[in-house]
Parts: sequence; C-alpha cells; structure tokens
Amino acid sequence: QITLKESGPTVVKPTQTLTLTCRFSGFSLDTTGVGVGWIRQPPGKALEWLALISWNNNKLYRQSLKSRLTITKDASTNQVVLTMTNMDPVDTATYYCARHVIPAGVPADYWGQGTLVTVSS
Amino acid sequence: DIQMTQSPSTLSASVGDRVTITCRASQSISNWLAWYQQKPGKAPKLLIFKASTLQSGVPSRFRGSGSGTEFTLTISSLQPDDFATYYCQQYNTYSWAFGQGTKVDVK
Repeated sequence: QITLKESGPTVVKPTQTLTLTCRFSGFSLDTTGVGVGWIRQPPGKALEWLALISWNNNKLYRQSLKSRLTITKDASTNQVVLTMTNMDPVDTATYYCARHVIPAGVPADYWGQGTLVTVSS
Repeated sequence: DIQMTQSPSTLSASVGDRVTITCRASQSISNWLAWYQQKPGKAPKLLIFKASTLQSGVPSRFRGSGSGTEFTLTISSLQPDDFATYYCQQYNTYSWAFGQGTKVDVK
C-alpha cells in the first residue's frame, strides 16, 4: 500500500523559510524510475507544480520559483524535503507531495492529503 | 515556460451528458499530458497519462486524446460522481505546469 504524508508548520511569517517534509511508504526512491514531486494550491485557485526529485537525484523546479526552492531526498528514511525561502502571503496554499513513475510517463499517481501553510505576520 | 490553457473554465452539464474539456499547450509537448480530477477538500486523482492512457481503476467513460499542442478529455456519459474540477498537466520539459482547471457543475 502506497501512502504519502506531508508535514511542516501551519503558519510561517513573511520572509521566513518554509521547510516541508514528505514521508512515504510502499515504494522506494532507490527504485529506478521513481520520483517524488511537490504541488501546491492556493485557496480557491488552481494547482501549481513546484518541484520534482528523481531516483537518480535529478531535480526539476518551477522556473518562476527556482531561486527560492530546494528539493532533497533521503531514500534511507523514505523522506523528501522541500524548502522555500523568503515566504510571502501569496505563498499561502495547501502543499501536496506525490509519487511519480517517470520513464513510464506516469505523473503524480499517488498523493498525500496535503498540508495547509498560511503566511502571515 | 510552456503555458497550459484549458477551456471552458466552467461547464454546466446534466447526468448522462457527453462532456468535452480542451487543453492547449503553448508549444508542442508530444503526448506528455495528464488529466486529473479534484473534488473539494481532496487531493487530485490521476485519470489519464501520456494523453490517452487510462489510469488503473478509472472508469472507461473517461477518454483522453490529442498530441502536440491540443488535447481533449471526454466523459462519454456524465455520472453523479463526475461533478468536480478537472486539470490538465504537461510534463514534457524541465518545468512542468498545470492548466487553470475546468469546473464541471450541475446544470
């Protein structure tokens, strides 16, 4: 059974750095072809793709946020961490992590429940 | 970055209707396109990947087609469980992107 769960602060102040952790089970990031990505959704708005890390440590980032995002993995503990610097109220959103199977062309087939992050002073 | 444009933004339909949603890419993405369904307060659910491959467990009334820059999601006979918001996503390039969504509501 594949599960993913996001965790992190529910509130951050403007200019602070957000650190989110995705803990997963039922698959391994050591397996060829597997990746874990992050997607966010501001309240009442559309999904926004943020970043992806692959089994071979290849990383992709949303171009408009590339300078603020860092994605890392720890395959031994089944965790992926996303950091976003210089948070702003417009970054208020539900943040999701999701599994991908890249060579097979399968994007986000399993998702976490999401975690709401509010940016407010 | 490749931009994804969905139409319409909102679609009002009745149970049993045939529903079509369009997604256009600002440049060719071959067939690297997925469709998701999202219900309020829930994570999105993958319906179709590689433009036309049905994800396991998804009903066959969902059909994806297209390649290059123009894609469609068709629901052959809308069911009560299908009222939701649908998103397309391109995953062709180094920076992936979603469309702005299409809400399917009750007519």
